[in-house]
Amino acid sequence: DAGVIQSPRHEVTEMGQEVTLRCKLISGHNSLFWYRQTMMRGLELLIYFNNNVPIDDSGMPEDRFSAKMPNASFSTLKIQPSEPRDSAVYFCASRYLSGAHTDTQYFGPGTRLTVL
Amino acid sequence: QKEVEQNSGPLSVPEGAIASLNCTYSDRVSQSFFWYRQYSGKSPELIMSIYSNGDKEDGRFTAQLNKASQYVSLLIRDSQPSDSATYLCAAVYNQGGKLIFGQGTELSVKP
Repeated sequence: DAGVIQSPRHEVTEMGQEVTLRCKLISGHNSLFWYRQTMMRGLELLIYFNNNVPIDDSGMPEDRFSAKMPNASFSTLKIQPSEPRDSAVYFCASRYLSGAHTDTQYFGPGTRLTVL
Repeated sequence: QKEVEQNSGPLSVPEGAIASLNCTYSDRVSQSFFWYRQYSGKSPELIMSIYSNGDKEDGRFTAQLNKASQYVSLLIRDSQPSDSATYLCAAVYNQGGKLIFGQGTELSVKP
């Protein structure tokens, strides 16, 4: 089975440009998480969805960030306009939400974003 | 207090030794804990989970949970250079089921 798929793997853009990161869940999974990782702040949860519904977006830095799930297996994270401080590795993770506290999250390979 | 706290390290151990990684947690997280390993430039991968007080063993790895003292640890026996990575402790947040990660401990196993 394919794991979590993220694209692009690397993105270099200039300040002010729009950036769109994409994520495809593992087949059969119904819960998706977007994380951001930097040396200074570690791994931070930005937003997560259960069954296409956003559950907690308290980690989204500001209105420049938005995330959607247009269907059950796909999600986008958009940054508009991008700023140099958005430079980080963005991970997507998926899980099968059964209701048990043991549900495991599986991470994608990440997108390394550099904003110049 | 942060929900999940780890010493950032680096922790350096000689090959063949036991590496001990520790994590403390607050009352705001539930009793479900996970250890993820992250190699440099790679994504986190789950290596152990523990939900009950006591020890759980899987090969060279042992996870220990002490609810009274609110800490969880990971022991790696017969450490190998290939174990050199950052180890992330994570706990399920009481409200909503999201995972809260510690800052990670960098482990270096010297040949």
